[in-house]
Amino acid sequence: EADIYQTPRYLVIGTGKKITLECSQTMGHDKMYWYQQDPGMELHLIHYSYGVNSTEKGDLSSESTVSRIRTEHFPLTLESARPSHTSQYLCASSDPGTANTGELFFGEGSRLTVL
Amino acid sequence: KQEVTQIPAALSVPEGENLVLNCSFTDSAIYNLQWFRQDPGKGLTSLLLIQSSQREQTSGRLNASLDKSSGRSTLYIAASQPGDSATYLCAVRGMDSSYKLIFGSGTRLLVRP
Repeated sequence: EADIYQTPRYLVIGTGKKITLECSQTMGHDKMYWYQQDPGMELHLIHYSYGVNSTEKGDLSSESTVSRIRTEHFPLTLESARPSHTSQYLCASSDPGTANTGELFFGEGSRLTVL
Repeated sequence: KQEVTQIPAALSVPEGENLVLNCSFTDSAIYNLQWFRQDPGKGLTSLLLIQSSQREQTSGRLNASLDKSSGRSTLYIAASQPGDSATYLCAVRGMDSSYKLIFGSGTRLLVRP
């Protein structure tokens, strides 16, 4: 069973607020990802990281930013939230390079609503 | 650019039926293919991972096959149960080093008691 945790699970905030979505994994995975998913729609990759101090933009442009200071931690930040940011944000990690199967494990998601 | 398509988009079956979910992809140069289950408002649970060199994987009542040359994968669910109701997503990983997955839009399955 995967050990990847996201907080908060649900967040309702007003426009203009700064928010940080937390993601932590205890599996020692090097690679971590953030996906965005609107209700009933596809997942889109917005950020990923190969390891500490590595961050890359994903396929879908996003105003959010990420950091990877520790292997186990990959937070996502929105400096000024807007209603268009309302969505579900899913964090994932993949298994160590030595195993190299590339299997992806997901957290439970953070559902963000910006009023 | 890799595109992943899942058919059907939605499926409703009576309990006990065997069923097949389909996934197709446009670029056969894949590293692996992964099937996930997603319950409403939740994250994704990994069901099966098939490496590009494999033809199928099995876990309990689930069997996934992979035909790279035709760009297709199927997920077979035997003796379906109401608890199987969820959205099923397939995703492919390309041969580059990014480990990024490209997802299909999913099949919403409802198993009626």
